[in-house]
Amino acid sequence: ETGVTQTPRHLVMGMTNKKSLKCEQHLGHNAMYWYKQSAKKPLELMFVYNFKEQTENNSVPSRFSPECPNSSHLFLHLHTLQPEDSALYLCASSPFREGSEQYFGPGTRLTVT
Amino acid sequence: GIQVEQSPPDLILQEGANSTLRCNFSDSVNNLQWFHQNPWGQLINLFYIPSGTKQNGRLSATTVATERYSLLYISSSQTTDSGVYFCAVPWGGGTSYGKLTFGQGTILTVHP
Repeated sequence: ETGVTQTPRHLVMGMTNKKSLKCEQHLGHNAMYWYKQSAKKPLELMFVYNFKEQTENNSVPSRFSPECPNSSHLFLHLHTLQPEDSALYLCASSPFREGSEQYFGPGTRLTVT
Repeated sequence: GIQVEQSPPDLILQEGANSTLRCNFSDSVNNLQWFHQNPWGQLINLFYIPSGTKQNGRLSATTVATERYSLLYISSSQTTDSGVYFCAVPWGGGTSYGKLTFGQGTILTVHP
């Protein structure tokens, strides 16, 4: 695998379910990100991790819980979501330095029923 | 925070036509990226262009950092160029450290 991969690609879950999204990067980067893209809206940054440490939480509700066990893997744990959380969730990675270029995974399209 | 505006919001072309997409930003930046989002949601890196001009096949981009805008040129458009084009700059302007602010995007439709 090359680049940034995400699994699953599609997910349907009920509001009482617990699920996790997985992201893996094969680019040797040390920063990873979660973005949310709702219908007809631009991407919104959710979380930033640098060398496994969370450096940004963009006022994301606690029903979204990120985990970064190492610089190559990033998870987003989901529980008691709301229908308005249905969106495309994109993972990205980059070198953690000023002006660095960011690379994105294919995304997970989440539907909350 | 920094504001990013893209124009036009929608663009419809016939195959073979040329087009120019614009991205204006409200503060000085040291990073600007152009992306193409395909119908499946994948964001594809087109250009990393904090300043100057770059070309890649039928696509080229120019960023004039001092005037706070960037242009994406698509020549001889093809149906596969359809999708949404986003520009993104560092959140808060200036130093990047990976936090990108995205414009609203330009939805491009190329008809055969």
